[in-house]
Amino acid sequence: EIVMTQSPATLSVSPGERATLSCRASQSISTHLAWYQQKPGQAPRLLIYGASTRATGVPARFSGSGSGTEFTLTISSLQSDDFAVYYCQQYNAWPLTFGQGTKMEIK
Amino acid sequence: DVQLLESGGGLVHPGGSLRLSCAASGFTFNTYAMSWVRQAPGKGLEWVSTISGGGSSTYCADSVKGRFTISRDNSKNTLYLQLNSLRAEDTAVYYCAKQVTSGNAYYHFDCWGQGTLVTVSS
Repeated sequence: EIVMTQSPATLSVSPGERATLSCRASQSISTHLAWYQQKPGQAPRLLIYGASTRATGVPARFSGSGSGTEFTLTISSLQSDDFAVYYCQQYNAWPLTFGQGTKMEIK
Repeated sequence: DVQLLESGGGLVHPGGSLRLSCAASGFTFNTYAMSWVRQAPGKGLEWVSTISGGGSSTYCADSVKGRFTISRDNSKNTLYLQLNSLRAEDTAVYYCAKQVTSGNAYYHFDCWGQGTLVTVSS
């Protein structure tokens, strides 16, 4: 099983600041990685797939990068709507696995 | 618009059974793989099971293998998850999700339902 490890667990950021979230895979997954955003009481929402491709309707302030085992989600200028939990997920091999999540908090 | 609507959750005793349903609309159902992903209270996301568009291939997490069965009825645009031999640790919100595929390759989940809560307790 491919283990996905996200860091940090919690990130405190002020609105307007830049946020960088990390995701590491226990073995190479090429660019078979997605990022999801989840707000309290809501279903997850796809943000990024293929490590760097924004999903339809996702604002340009969200960007993804990386390949192999190291990946990053960057939010260039945080808005109030962005405070949520973010999960990475690999789809390179079964079983599909998620990271434990990074909670973005208002500083 | 793509819509996924889960139903069938509820309170069940340990060892009991439930069948979850996910009604899909807004896309050509039989051309997409579908999956179930669950989330225990206050915890992260856990993939449970996936079924191919035609229904001939299924994949399942070890934690539910032999107890949960995924299926679909393409004539009704509906996905199912049969949950048997339920345990307390199966308590979670169960989401159905539409999965992007290309040939035999399975990719990300591009649309999620709102989820249905399954509580296993005596």
